[in-house]
Amino acid sequence: IAGITQAPTSQILAAGRRMTLRCTQDMRHNAMYWYRQDLGLGLRLIHYSNTAGTTGKGEVPDGYSVSRANTDDFPLTLASAVPSQTSVYFCASSDSSQSSYNEQFFGPGTRLTVL
Amino acid sequence: GQNIDQPTEMTATEGAIVQINCTYQTSGFNGLFWYQQHAGEAPTFLSYNVLDGLEEKGRFSSFLSRSKGYSYLLLKELQMKDSASYLCAVLDSNYQLIWGAGTKLIIKP
Repeated sequence: IAGITQAPTSQILAAGRRMTLRCTQDMRHNAMYWYRQDLGLGLRLIHYSNTAGTTGKGEVPDGYSVSRANTDDFPLTLASAVPSQTSVYFCASSDSSQSSYNEQFFGPGTRLTVL
Repeated sequence: GQNIDQPTEMTATEGAIVQINCTYQTSGFNGLFWYQQHAGEAPTFLSYNVLDGLEEKGRFSSFLSRSKGYSYLLLKELQMKDSASYLCAVLDSNYQLIWGAGTKLIIKP
């Protein structure tokens, strides 16, 4: 593995179903992030984790949950999917979340459609 | 509220120069980033400014004026592969990145 991987690449999901998007990084970065990207809108932060064992809410956390059991993995769970959660989801990581130079590295994205 | 404004779309000619502007109003400022995103792909880092002035990196340059809440990305000697969206993002006082909606740049031969 080199960088950040996400799975699945794309998914069509029935409304009401539970879904976990996976994200793994091998750069030993402390901070990880989940964003959603919708047409005409900027990337919006869903949840973040400054270090393993801690998580925080971003701009649009409702309907999503995350966990950070170790440094490498940061799964995002939709407990009961709704059509408004149709989006492209990007996972990202950075070496530190509390410094000014906070270059974030992005995974390839997961395209999720909720019907 | 926090706000970042960029033009939605711009068109330029191969070999020319284009300037993409970004204005921001955020709670605090800890730096400004430009990312490039090709259609269907992930954003990739282009540049970072935290002090006023111009940062040059090959064909790409980025300028910042903190007093005006303004930045621009300058692309020289445009190539067809530069067709992409360019995202401006500001690191606020909580060290969270606030993203603009992006500028789609179309390069014509």
